[in-house]
Order: sequence, then C-alpha cells, then structure tokens
Amino acid sequence: EVQLVESGGGLVKPGSSLKLSCVASGFTFSSYGMHWIRQAPKKGLEWIALIYYDSSNKYYADSVKGRFTISRDNSKNTLYLEMNSLRSEDTAMYYCAKPGSSDYWGQGVMVTVSS
Amino acid sequence: EIVLTQSPTTTAASPGEKVTITCLASSSVSNMYWYQQKSGASPKLLIYSTSSLASGVPDRFSGSGSGTSYSLTINTMEAEDAATYYCQQWSSNPLTFGSGTKLEIK
Repeated sequence: EVQLVESGGGLVKPGSSLKLSCVASGFTFSSYGMHWIRQAPKKGLEWIALIYYDSSNKYYADSVKGRFTISRDNSKNTLYLEMNSLRSEDTAMYYCAKPGSSDYWGQGVMVTVSS
Repeated sequence: EIVLTQSPTTTAASPGEKVTITCLASSSVSNMYWYQQKSGASPKLLIYSTSSLASGVPDRFSGSGSGTSYSLTINTMEAEDAATYYCQQWSSNPLTFGSGTKLEIK
C-alpha cells in the first residue's frame, strides 16, 4: 500500500522557520519527482515546489522562491520542505504528492503562521 | 505559467442529472488531469491524460478535450459526487491547478 505521511507542522510566529517531512512507502520513491502542494483555508490548491527524482532540478512557485527549500533523502524515502521567513499567507495545509497517472498524496500537515 | 480557468465556480445538480465542468488553459496543454476533493480530505485523482479513468473511479465520470479546452462530465449525478473539482496541468512547469468548481446536490 502506498503511503505518504507528512509531519512537522504547527503554529509559528511570522518570521519563524519550520521544516516539514514526508515519509514515503509502498512505491519506489527514488524513481519519481515529488511535489509540495498547499491549500490555504477555504481556498484552492497551490503548487509550491518540485524536486526531480535525483535532486538534479528544483522548481519553486514565485510565492515561496527564496524562502522555501525542497530536498529529499532517497536513502530514507523522505521528502523535506524547509520554510523560512514565514508569513501569515503561508498558513495552509501542506501536502506532499506525486501527481500523475499513478497519483499519490499525503494526508496533509497544517501550518499556521500567526502572532 | 499556464493559467487554468474553470467554470462554473459553483453549481448544483439533482440526482440523475448530467454535469459538465469546463477548464480553459491560457496556452495549449497536451493533457489535463481532474481531481475531486471532499471536505477535510486530500484530493483524489479522477481523470488522467485527459480522458483516462483513474483506478476505482465510477464510469459515470469522463473527461475530454484538447489544446486549451477541456471538460469533466458526470453522466448521472449522485449524492456522493458533491465535492469540489479541480483541473490540473503539467505540460509545462510550473504545475498549475484551476481555481475549483464546487458541486452541490439539489
């Protein structure tokens, strides 16, 4: 059974940092590009970052570029999202995902940025 | 960035009724994906590669389209289909989603 399990979310103050993790199982994690996608409360889905299977390429949405860093450790089947200089508008449910014909999403982890 | 515009934003249908949701792309895309999201849950893939049904998805769902115009059709609405639907493309980076269509049951 495929599983993506996110962790590391919580309530933080503006300007703080947070690091999310996503542990994958049930598929060959090291063969696929992985994404972080977020959803603000009562809003739509927003793609924020992509990392290739071998970490050779990384892409970011303009809204997080320069503040967020995506990384992975294929030996641990784990995807990361390091988030710095957090803003109130970063408040959202964060999903790790492998979209596509074989489509896997985690259950999401909530990040709340508030003073 | 390819912008996806969905319509309608909100709609309601009676059980048995046919529903069509449209997704217009700002530039041509080679494929479209469709997701269903219910409250409190992760998005669930319905359609991939424009018209292929994802595993376990009822065949009352179908997708079609090409170029800049795509659609998702529910042939006969059921109460369990009440949800928000999103189109998504990854023909070019960045991956983008439509803004969503909320479908309610009458």
